[in-house]
Amino acid sequence: KAGVTQTPRYLIKTRGQQVTLSCSPISGHRSVSWYQQTPGQGLQFLFEYFSETQRNKGNFPGRFSGRQFSNSRSEMNVSTLELGDSALYLCASSLGTGVLVTQYFGPGTRLTVL
Amino acid sequence: SQQGEEDPQALSIQEGENATMNCSYKTSINNLQWYRQNSGRGLVHLILIRSNEREKHSGRLRVTLDTSKKSSSLLITASRAADTASYFCAKHGRGGTSYGKLTFGQGTILTVHP
Repeated sequence: KAGVTQTPRYLIKTRGQQVTLSCSPISGHRSVSWYQQTPGQGLQFLFEYFSETQRNKGNFPGRFSGRQFSNSRSEMNVSTLELGDSALYLCASSLGTGVLVTQYFGPGTRLTVL
Repeated sequence: SQQGEEDPQALSIQEGENATMNCSYKTSINNLQWYRQNSGRGLVHLILIRSNEREKHSGRLRVTLDTSKKSSSLLITASRAADTASYFCAKHGRGGTSYGKLTFGQGTILTVHP
C-alpha cells in the first residue's frame, strides 16, 4: 500500500497570506490527524477528522481550519499567516480510532512564512 | 503543550553501543508509543506498548513501561549510524473522541558515530 502523501512538500508564503495543505491517507484509513512541529513547541496536535467530521481539536487559533472529504483526503487551511506559523506540518492517518490504533505519518509539508 | 518529558535531550554514541532513552508522563495512559524521525521528515512508528505490558521487543528495540513511575524507556541495542534520528514517545488522549489525539514528548536526538 502507498503511504500517507502530503502536498506540497515545501511552501514559502508571506505574512497575511493564506495557505492550504493537502493530505492523502493510506487507502482504507478513515481517520486523519494534523500536527504542527516547531523547534520551540515541538509536536502539537492540531485536529483530527474521522468520516468527514472533526472529532478533536487542539489549542490553536481559529485561523487554523481543516476538512475531510468523502474519500478521506484532508486539507488544512491557515489564514492570515504569521511568522510563527513557519513549521513542519505533519498529517497522520489511521484505520479508525481507539487506544490500540497506530497513526502513520506522511513526510510533512515545510511551510516558511516570510 | 507537551505532557511527556524525555531524557536525555541529546545522546551521542559510537556504532555498536546501546542507546537508552527515557520518557516520563504526567497522566495515566492506555498505551505508549515510540516514533522515530529522521532529520525533519515524517514520523515512523516503532512500537506500541499497552498499559498492562511491562516490556516489549521488536528487533533491536526493547521498550519497557513502568506505570507506577509513569515512565517508559526505549533501548536500541547494537546501534548503527542509520539509527541517527530523533526519538519521541507519544500517548493517546483518554476517552471517547480523544483517542485520535497524540501528545508527544520533547524527543531525544540520537547521534550514532560510525
